[in-house]
Amino acid sequence: DIVMTQSPDSLAVSLGERATIHCQSSQSVLHSSNNEKYLAWYQQKPGQPPKLVIYWASTRASGVPDRFSGSGSGTDFTLTISYLQAEDVAVYYCQQYYTSPYTFGQGTKLEIK
Amino acid sequence: EVQVVESGGGLVQPGGSLRLSCAASGFTFTSHWMNWVRQAPGKGLEWVANIKQDGSEKYYVDSVKGRFTISRDNANNSLYLQMSGLRAEDTAVYYCARDSYWRYGMDVWGQGTTVTVSS
Repeated sequence: DIVMTQSPDSLAVSLGERATIHCQSSQSVLHSSNNEKYLAWYQQKPGQPPKLVIYWASTRASGVPDRFSGSGSGTDFTLTISYLQAEDVAVYYCQQYYTSPYTFGQGTKLEIK
Repeated sequence: EVQVVESGGGLVQPGGSLRLSCAASGFTFTSHWMNWVRQAPGKGLEWVANIKQDGSEKYYVDSVKGRFTISRDNANNSLYLQMSGLRAEDTAVYYCARDSYWRYGMDVWGQGTTVTVSS
């Protein structure tokens, strides 16, 4: 199974500042057939189901503000939230969908400093 | 409105069985792979199983293989998870989630149904 490891486990950032979350996969999730990275980011607010934020490692899902961005190579990925807003407080998960089982990272809890 | 709604959760004794259901609406059910994802109390997300549009392919996380069975009824836009041999570690909120059309992630999630395994 592909192991997804996020860092840090928790993060406190001031409003208006940048938040950066890292995710590393134990093997490449770059698919040679289409050169896409099979990596997604989800946001989960308390008491709510997860919400897809980023897919193909760097494409924002529909309706997601442009302060959210994703980047990365075949095994190392980053979710960046520029100009942190109060509504961005949540737990963020990366997930690989390159191969079953579609493993998630352990989550990063983002709070306001 | 595009949505999926889970039902069927509850309290069950260790070793018991339970069948979860997921009713889909507002989209062409037969165009999408479907998933079950769970979240134990205070823990992270764990993908459990998924099923192809026509039911011909099914995949499971190792911890539920041989105990859980995913299925779908395309005529009724429904997804199921038959769970047997339940263990305390299966206690979780179970989410039904739609794979996006181009399979780049799970883009529609239900509110979840809670399964508690306890004597």
